[in-house]
Amino acid sequence: KQEVTQIPAALSVPEGENLVLNCSFTDSAIYNLQWFRQDPGKGLTSLLLIQSSQREQTSGRLNASLDKSSGRSTLYIAASQPGDSATYLCVRGSEKLVFGKGTKLTVNP
Amino acid sequence: GAVVSQHPSWVICKSGTSVKIECRSLDFQATTMFWYRQFPKQSLMLMATSNEGSKATYEQGVEKDKFLINHASLTLSTLTVTSAHPEDSSFYICSAISGKHYNEQFFGPGTRLTVL
Repeated sequence: KQEVTQIPAALSVPEGENLVLNCSFTDSAIYNLQWFRQDPGKGLTSLLLIQSSQREQTSGRLNASLDKSSGRSTLYIAASQPGDSATYLCVRGSEKLVFGKGTKLTVNP
Repeated sequence: GAVVSQHPSWVICKSGTSVKIECRSLDFQATTMFWYRQFPKQSLMLMATSNEGSKATYEQGVEKDKFLINHASLTLSTLTVTSAHPEDSSFYICSAISGKHYNEQFFGPGTRLTVL
């Protein structure tokens, strides 16, 4: 059974700090890896999608990497802002998606 | 592009009643849609895969007679929670695959169901 684990479960940082969110998964099959953000009581916003053949993706202050051999992905957020406060979900799969429980990020002004 | 909507955004109902939730792909055709459920502080769990014009495929442990899924068109899938009970209270999210966007899944905003 595929599992996706996210560490830490919660993170609180001061504004402006660079931070890394970690994700590990149990299988090494050829699947995509996607990072979403979820605001309280809201749906999901896709941040970055790493295709199975890729190693990383970048969008603005966000950079996500994928290492299939070690079963890990990281989401790097540069110069964090209070508006980045949300729960970040790591998701594995192409059609059938497997979600991690998320990392709840709080960026303090 | 690739917008998915859900209606209603929240619903409160009495135990024993049925509730229908709609999921629409607004600017693309979706042959496949997915329904997820999220309990508080838990991850999203796939309930079923909905294919246009055919029966839905349910994940293990999801009662197909309780959670009725209809995918009557390429832009609409509905989830009906029949004879709802308080333990069905949850956040229900749908997603749709867009062929235009390399088969990426796009998610709706979710529906909060509270059963009294």
